Amino acid sequence: EAQVTQNPRYLITVTGKKLTVTCSQNMNHEYMSWYRQDPGLGLRQIYYSMNVEVTDKGDVPEGYKVSRKEKRNFPLILESPSPNQTSLYFCASSLSFSGFQPQHFGDGTRLSIL
Amino acid sequence: GQQVMQIPQYQHVQEGEDFTTYCNSSTTLSNIQWYKQRPGGHPVFLIQLVKSGEVKKQKRLTFQFGEAKKNSSLHITATQTTDVGTYFCAVLMNYGGSQGNLIFGKGTKLSVKP
Repeated sequence: EAQVTQNPRYLITVTGKKLTVTCSQNMNHEYMSWYRQDPGLGLRQIYYSMNVEVTDKGDVPEGYKVSRKEKRNFPLILESPSPNQTSLYFCASSLSFSGFQPQHFGDGTRLSIL
Repeated sequence: GQQVMQIPQYQHVQEGEDFTTYCNSSTTLSNIQWYKQRPGGHPVFLIQLVKSGEVKKQKRLTFQFGEAKKNSSLHITATQTTDVGTYFCAVLMNYGGSQGNLIFGKGTKLSVKP
């Protein structure tokens, strides 16, 4: 089944403790991205990657890191999480970036930073 | 930077009534996508509009792209309880060479009273 898989689905952690949210897609998509969703603010893009080893900042990249060593994986790293990063996070992928392809979203990761 | 305004933020309707959400941009858009997010779910792609004045239909849903390609609307005829969710528009930001940045509207949350 074609899908975008995020792990973990839920995480409660403490300020300053490094964490990684994994994202994997099995559709051979070139484009992958991370979003955070907050009440009243909608979906905001954190980082995106147009292809392997190519990443770029979205609207709210501060406090996050990403890497794209393989086509299928695009982990989101919070080196020193803070409470303002408590949010619902979505990973998404699309076939390619040319032509603005539809985004396929994962089920989301709910992060709580205490 | 490029912004997309989506209105209204909330809409409560009686089952059977119509519903419309609007996305407006200050700049000309290359194309626009619409997504639906059910409560507790992830955004799901509905449709993409590319041409000026384009109108597309999916059963009770009608999508329009303005003649000037600065606005778009999603209209649902005779809402049903299955239409409940948040509807987002998404556009591709093009400036400063950053061509992968996707901007989502803040969404319109639709509730339907049976």
